[in-house]
Amino acid sequence: SQQGEEDPQALSIQEGENATMNCSYKTSINNLQWYRQNSGRGLVHLILIRSNEREKHSGRLRVTLDTSKKSSSLLITASRAADTASYFCATDAGGDKIIFGKGTRLHILP
Amino acid sequence: KAGVTQTPRYLIKTRGQQVTLSCSPISGHRSVSWYQQTPGQGLQFLFEYFSETQRNKGNFPGRFSGRQFSNSRSEMNVSTLELGDSALYLCASSSTGGEGYTFGSGTRLTVV
Repeated sequence: SQQGEEDPQALSIQEGENATMNCSYKTSINNLQWYRQNSGRGLVHLILIRSNEREKHSGRLRVTLDTSKKSSSLLITASRAADTASYFCATDAGGDKIIFGKGTRLHILP
Repeated sequence: KAGVTQTPRYLIKTRGQQVTLSCSPISGHRSVSWYQQTPGQGLQFLFEYFSETQRNKGNFPGRFSGRQFSNSRSEMNVSTLELGDSALYLCASSSTGGEGYTFGSGTRLTVV
């Protein structure tokens, strides 16, 4: 069963704009991770935020976590064509396994 | 260092056959997890191995099995293949499990 649910399912924006994706989850977590997947290939780990953190940055990525609302957001600033991909949130609720949401398909328009 | 290697990349099998997929994790990583990805169900957790022991198992039938060797390489086996087993099978490794997974490129299995 899916722990995380990403929103929106699909997003198209112009190159240079910011892209925001949201993730909601159901149970308490140890950490939440975001991954990117290009065209049905393997997933690439982008960023991890722990349950006691509220915000984290990595390059053009900004992740927030609100444990009271059981939600997270991923912001990609100044989007580029190469950012076109599917983005997944994954939660570690304990037990040394992570559960993925169904993802947001991001398309950057030239 | 080398990434996670999955073999083969593509596979076509007939219903009723069995298949074995292989995953070589990053050197030093002891946790290996397997996922099935389909357009309808997304990424579904299959199982996780750590130091040759299965620590976690997802909600898949017994036809899906796996193992891990002393060098941390892992295999998964699917017996009596069904059309619905057609999917991208992804392997991921981490040093401890639970965070910072590195994924392989996957094995695309098609059952005809």
